[in-house]
Amino acid sequence: EAGVAQSPRYKIIEKRQSVAFWCNPISGHATLYWYQQILGQGPKLLIQFQNNGVVDDSQLPKDRFSAERLKGVDSTLKIQPAKLEDSAVYLCASSPWTSRFSYNEQFFGPGTRLTVL
Amino acid sequence: GQQLNQSPQSMFIQEGEDVSMNCTSSSIFNTWLWYKQEPGEGPVLLIALYKAGELTSNGRLTAQFGITRKDSFLNISASIPSDVGIYFCAGLSYGGSQGNLIFGKGTKLSVKP
Repeated sequence: EAGVAQSPRYKIIEKRQSVAFWCNPISGHATLYWYQQILGQGPKLLIQFQNNGVVDDSQLPKDRFSAERLKGVDSTLKIQPAKLEDSAVYLCASSPWTSRFSYNEQFFGPGTRLTVL
Repeated sequence: GQQLNQSPQSMFIQEGEDVSMNCTSSSIFNTWLWYKQEPGEGPVLLIALYKAGELTSNGRLTAQFGITRKDSFLNISASIPSDVGIYFCAGLSYGGSQGNLIFGKGTKLSVKP
């Protein structure tokens, strides 16, 4: 079974530029998450989708971050404009479950490492 | 807000030694999860704990859900070089139909052959 795919793996941009990340979850997984992992920290949830609906985006900086999951499959996360403090690894994860039990079985992708200069 | 204190931050051990790490919080959690992350990869779930007092093993790994529901421990016995990585605890609390998952800052494990 293919895992969670993410692209690009690395991205370097200058502050105030825009950037987009793409995630393809495991086939059939209903729940998709985006996490931000700053160097030396654990992952922090940015947004959770169930199918194509947003379940939790309470920690998403909505003035500059946006995410969508059209058709309940692939997802994109966008930052516009980027700040220096956005430098981090952006992880996508998916789960076959919905509701609160979805966290018990999450599969993470390899992440996209973003450097903002 | 909820926070997890994970310790130690890093460990340098000799191959064959046992390892212990823990996670504490002032908040109560319904589930504790332990992950391992290797360079350039996402975290991989090692053990999930669902009940206070629960002790669960996965090969050489053993984890426990603290009685107070505010802490958890992970032990690795007879470490080998491939145990190298960063180990994260994560606490899950339920609010309504959804959960709230927070991660510790990780314990970086180095194993000397």
